[in-house]
Amino acid sequence: SQKIEQNSEALNIQEGKTATLTCNYTNYSPAYLQWYRQDPGRGPVFLLLIRENEKKKRKERLKVTFDTTLKQSLFHITASQPADSATYLCALLRDYKLSFGAGTTVTVRA
Amino acid sequence: NAGVTQTPKFRVLKTGQSMTLLCAQDMNHEYMYWYRQDPGMGLRLIHYSVGEGTTAKGEVPDGYNVSRLKKQNFLLGLESAAPSQTSVYFCASSYSIELGNEQFFGPGTRLTVL
Repeated sequence: SQKIEQNSEALNIQEGKTATLTCNYTNYSPAYLQWYRQDPGRGPVFLLLIRENEKKKRKERLKVTFDTTLKQSLFHITASQPADSATYLCALLRDYKLSFGAGTTVTVRA
Repeated sequence: NAGVTQTPKFRVLKTGQSMTLLCAQDMNHEYMYWYRQDPGMGLRLIHYSVGEGTTAKGEVPDGYNVSRLKKQNFLLGLESAAPSQTSVYFCASSYSIELGNEQFFGPGTRLTVL
């Protein structure tokens, strides 16, 4: 069966450090992989999309890699700030539908 | 633009009652989705629509029905609520699959079934 797994443990990091989140998947061949941010009590907000033929992408302090051989994406928040504290979801697109991981909660300490 | 709005924000039902959740988007998006989010399980797709007048089943459709009579609205119905349907429900919409299907989410509806 298809499965998407994200870091099972929450991440607690010091301000200024880099947070690295992992998204692993099995039995998928996604055309795209997306990352979303979700704050408590709110809906997810789109952050980044990376295509299957792209290896890495950067948007401001966010960096994403996509390894279709390893079936893994890494999401990095560099120079982290307390405002980056949230839950981050990865999602894979196939057909018209997104399938989401359970998310990783990141807390950045000042 | 209001984006994606959901009505109501909170609701408490008794087992066996029915209700309809309304989702509206003002971005002229073709695709609309209903998800439920439960602790530790992430977002799961209930039903979706690829255009006005169309609907399709997602991952967890049982106990729910949907309708998309107008392009901007997507309704989710519970005919006979069960405690297992206690969850947070999110509606989302998107413009283009070809551009990667970035989805815009509403603020959610927190439903409790007693």
